[in-house]
Amino acid sequence: ILNVEQSPQSLHVQEGDSTNFTCSFPSSNFYALHWYRWETAKSPEALFVMTLNGDEKKKGRISATLNTKEGYSYLYIKGSQPEDSATYLCAFGTGTYKYIFGTGTRLKVLA
Amino acid sequence: NAGVTQTPKFRVLKTGQSMTLLCAQDMNHEYMYWYRQDPGMGLRLIHYSVGEGTTAKGEVPDGYNVSRLKKQNFLLGLESAAPSQTSVYFCASSTAGGTTEAFFGQGTRLTVV
Repeated sequence: ILNVEQSPQSLHVQEGDSTNFTCSFPSSNFYALHWYRWETAKSPEALFVMTLNGDEKKKGRISATLNTKEGYSYLYIKGSQPEDSATYLCAFGTGTYKYIFGTGTRLKVLA
Repeated sequence: NAGVTQTPKFRVLKTGQSMTLLCAQDMNHEYMYWYRQDPGMGLRLIHYSVGEGTTAKGEVPDGYNVSRLKKQNFLLGLESAAPSQTSVYFCASSTAGGTTEAFFGQGTRLTVV
C-alpha cells in the first residue's frame, strides 16, 4: 500500500513569517509529485507538478523542491500572508494513473 | 470554462436509499476519479476510469458502483446507503493520469441518516 505522509498536520504562523512543510512518499517507482492548495469550502487547486529529481518550482512566494532518491518534497512559503491560509496537499502520482494523497498540512496565518 | 461540475452539491439520504452522483467535465480528459474526504483521513480514492467504458477500483470501493458510458461523465452510485458513507465526495479529472495535474469539482456533501 502506497503511503504519503505530510508534516506537520497543522501550524499557525504570524503574517510575514516564512514557513515550510514536508511531504514523504515512496522512493521507488516514482512518476510525479503534486502539491495542491485547498481553501475552505473550495476545491483543491494544483500548485506544482514535479517529475524529475532535483526539480524546483516557484509561483510567487511559494516554491517547492523534490528529492526522489530519498522520497521527500518541501513546500516553502516566503512572507506568509493571511490569504495563504489553506490546507496544502501533496499527492504521489503512480504509474497506474492514480493520485495518492497525503492528509494535508493546515496552515493558518495570523494577521 | 465550467471545468469539472458535480451534481448535486448537497444531499441527505435515509439508510438504505440509493442515489447517483454525477460528475461532468468539459476538458476532454481521459482520466476521471471519485474520492471521498473524511476528517483526518485525507482524500481516499473510491473508483477511477482511464477512458470511456472503463472503470477500476480504488482504495475504498465497497458500497459504491461507477459507470463511464460517455467520456465527459463519470457517475458514482450508492445502491443502499449506509451512515458510514456520510462524507464529502470529490470528482477529479486529468489528461494523463498521475503525471499531470488533477482538476477537481466543487464537492458533494452527503449525509446518510
